[in-house]
Amino acid sequence: DAGITQSPRHKVTETGTPVTLRCHQTENHRYMYWYRQDPGHGLRLIHYSYGVKDTDKGEVSDGYSVSRSKTEDFLLTLESATSSQTSVYFCAISFAPGGLSYEQYFGPGTRLTVT
Amino acid sequence: GIQVEQSPPDLILQEGANSTLRCNFSDSVNNLQWFHQNPWGQLINLFYIPSGTKQNGRLSATTVATERYSLLYISSSQTTDSGVYFCAPDFQGAQKLVFGQGTRLTINP
Repeated sequence: DAGITQSPRHKVTETGTPVTLRCHQTENHRYMYWYRQDPGHGLRLIHYSYGVKDTDKGEVSDGYSVSRSKTEDFLLTLESATSSQTSVYFCAISFAPGGLSYEQYFGPGTRLTVT
Repeated sequence: GIQVEQSPPDLILQEGANSTLRCNFSDSVNNLQWFHQNPWGQLINLFYIPSGTKQNGRLSATTVATERYSLLYISSSQTTDSGVYFCAPDFQGAQKLVFGQGTRLTINP
């Protein structure tokens, strides 16, 4: 158990409304990530963070913003949700178990439906 | 561009069978991980394997980085092995994984 929680786990919202998803970790790891998963696809990277207030864009960042004001929390915001953002969102952390090599571990996911 | 291709896309087997899943990637990698997504959607880290061979119980993985492929072997399959298996190399560093589309494995009793 990598100590990652996501909230909410399920959300239905209307087109045009803002939505914020939260990822929380208990171990103070430096690297955190947001991915989305759509039917028939693997996961695609939205944004990632390599420390407090240090974030960068991933492959599919348009329409999303992130913030990391504390080590343990990484927030993903959809400023104005669209139906194309209906997806399952996964948070991940990266750390080196045993201090050897960095590996990525995933949270339980948030299912977001935009109607 | 960067590509990750997994094969086969679907695999249906009887309990007890062995299987080999393949991942081809288009560029040199800093890291490569294999994940299992169970039927409830949970993603489970199976292997970190940028090169060489590792084994964990009935599962083993081999990556031949110079030839740009990785293999996941599952022996004596059990119904609990069902789900989708993803290969995810990191081409750029900072653990920015690029996921293949996965192999959906169904193990029938």
